[in-house]
Amino acid sequence: GAVVSQHPSWVICKSGTSVKIECRSLDFQATTMFWYRQFPKQSLMLMATSNEGSKATYEQGVEKDKFLINHASLTLSTLTVTSAHPEDSSFYICSASYGQINYGYTFGSGTRLTVV
Amino acid sequence: GNSVTQMEGPVTLSEEAFLTINCTYTATGYPSLFWYVQYPGEGLQLLLKATKADDKGSNKGFEATYRKETTSFHLEKGSVQVSDSAVYFCALSEPLSTDKLIFGTGTRLQVFP
Repeated sequence: GAVVSQHPSWVICKSGTSVKIECRSLDFQATTMFWYRQFPKQSLMLMATSNEGSKATYEQGVEKDKFLINHASLTLSTLTVTSAHPEDSSFYICSASYGQINYGYTFGSGTRLTVV
Repeated sequence: GNSVTQMEGPVTLSEEAFLTINCTYTATGYPSLFWYVQYPGEGLQLLLKATKADDKGSNKGFEATYRKETTSFHLEKGSVQVSDSAVYFCALSEPLSTDKLIFGTGTRLQVFP
């Protein structure tokens, strides 16, 4: 149980275009989802916390107008990278917490974005 | 603020060797502690966790004990396999927060036959 599906697993786009990444909880309801960014050989940096039915909470230094997060239902959160540039190329991972606080977190398989 | 410090890698071992990956943390209150594993090109998978002092998390031969006196959560395995080659992340969940996870920088483990 507690599976998170992330789609697409990889995407290549041209500079200036927008890319949407989906994160779905398949067998549980996720009121809170998290979006991380991982640079090569580095740790995961939390970008934002996505709350169902309300605005996302962004970490310091993350441009909310560039990384649009929508959490319209209890099973779906989306991250849209708007007007993508090569420096946005990265590995993006979503996660969701399930059960009570600190019960557990499950992660999607990640999306590798390459902007050319 | 809260933080997690891991030993730098890569850690290179022969098959069946003993593994230790050190992890220490700084936190106010009583965080939960986690080890996650990331295989190449994939997302993170929970390996084990501990939610209070002296708890021992274990899974697939890996173990880690929540040591509050030394603020540590070292990962150990008695006999590693080639299939254990991956990046291992130590993490804590911030107490009294919205379930945020704070990650260490990750330690790459390479096991050779």
